[in-house]
Amino acid sequence: GQSLEQPSEVTAVEGAIVQINCTYQTSGFYGLSWYQQHDGGAPTFLSYNALDGLEETGRFSSFLSRSDSYGYLLLQELQMKDSASYFCAVPDSWGKLQFGAGTQVVVTP
Amino acid sequence: DAGITQSPRYKITETGRQVTLMCHQTWSHSYMFWYRQDLGHGLRLIYYSAAADITDKGEVPDGYVVSRSKTENFPLTLESATRSQTSVYFCASGTENTEAFFGQGTRLTVV
Repeated sequence: GQSLEQPSEVTAVEGAIVQINCTYQTSGFYGLSWYQQHDGGAPTFLSYNALDGLEETGRFSSFLSRSDSYGYLLLQELQMKDSASYFCAVPDSWGKLQFGAGTQVVVTP
Repeated sequence: DAGITQSPRYKITETGRQVTLMCHQTWSHSYMFWYRQDLGHGLRLIYYSAAADITDKGEVPDGYVVSRSKTENFPLTLESATRSQTSVYFCASGTENTEAFFGQGTRLTVV
């Protein structure tokens, strides 16, 4: 089976940097994805890491360490619109995409 | 319109009734998924499909049935709705298991 652990909530002020950690246990590893979901909305894809290292996309970056079964999403220059839930997700060899319970990011003025 | 659409967006049904939630995608994605989202549980996989006529159970399949006779459609049926199935249901599709595109969700209330 698979399991993913991430913090339930993170609070930060505008302009700050937030790091959301995700640790996973999988029978086989095929990559780690991150999704964003605003209240009342649908999840939207942010990033995907298959190999170790940092992937940067604008203000958001995602990191993976396969040896540590660990990844994180880094949100820089926080804006109010970044207040949302963030999910890490892993697929298995059969294509099942499984999500963590999500981290709610609260951005304060 | 291109994309993935779910219908209905909102549904209220009674306990014991059969309900079908529809999902349609126009990208010809091979993978399709059904998730339910409840407070405190994140997104839990109900069923998924790797291609037409290929479906498999996810984490919480009991009480649900799926079919996929055509690549673009992946309906989810609650055979006999229960109050515990009150939830927000999301359908998603993707070409590989790396990126999934989600529909806008169906908010189902079972009374």
